[in-house]
Amino acid sequence: DIQMTQSPSSLSASVGDRVTITCRASQTIGGYLNWYQQKPGKAPKLLIYAASSLQSGVSSRFSGSVSGTTVTLTISSLELEDFATYFCQQTYSTPYTFGQGTTLEIK
Amino acid sequence: QVQLQESGPGLVKPSETLSLNCTVSGASVSSFYWGWIRQSPWKGLEWIGYIYNSGSPKYNPSLKSRVIMSLDTSKNELSLKLSAVNTADTAVYYCARGYSRYVSDYWGQGARVTVSS
Repeated sequence: DIQMTQSPSSLSASVGDRVTITCRASQTIGGYLNWYQQKPGKAPKLLIYAASSLQSGVSSRFSGSVSGTTVTLTISSLELEDFATYFCQQTYSTPYTFGQGTTLEIK
Repeated sequence: QVQLQESGPGLVKPSETLSLNCTVSGASVSSFYWGWIRQSPWKGLEWIGYIYNSGSPKYNPSLKSRVIMSLDTSKNELSLKLSAVNTADTAVYYCARGYSRYVSDYWGQGARVTVSS
């Protein structure tokens, strides 16, 4: 199975900050990487697919990039609604696997 | 508007079979990929598998011997059966739509299932 190591596990930031979350894959994933946002008691919401493609209806504050086996989610300027938990998921090969999540908290 | 709603017992006894349904509106289960994912505090998000109308289901090897996924096109539903459950199967179970086998774009709200005697 491909292991997805996500960092940091938690992050404190302020409204207006730029934040970056990273996932490192244990082997090549060819850009088959999705990012999800999850709020307490809710299902994950798709933000980014194919490493850098913005899902329809998602704010352009969110962006994704990939370099080798490392993928990055960037939120350019935090808004209150962005404080949540974020997960990466590789869909390069089955079983699809997720990172352990990054909880973004208000500083 | 695509909507998915999981339903099923919230409590299952060890060694029994967990059965969940997912009712879909706004999309046909005859099209798209349909998957199940579960989430627990000890394992995080875990992909269970996906099914596509014209193909064989694809399951997580760690669960493959116990899982059956199916589609009911007459009811526009998908179902999940997980046999011989144990406490480690306690989780919130989500159904999700994939517009490709690589991307799940719509998720249900989740069904909490506890395995306990």
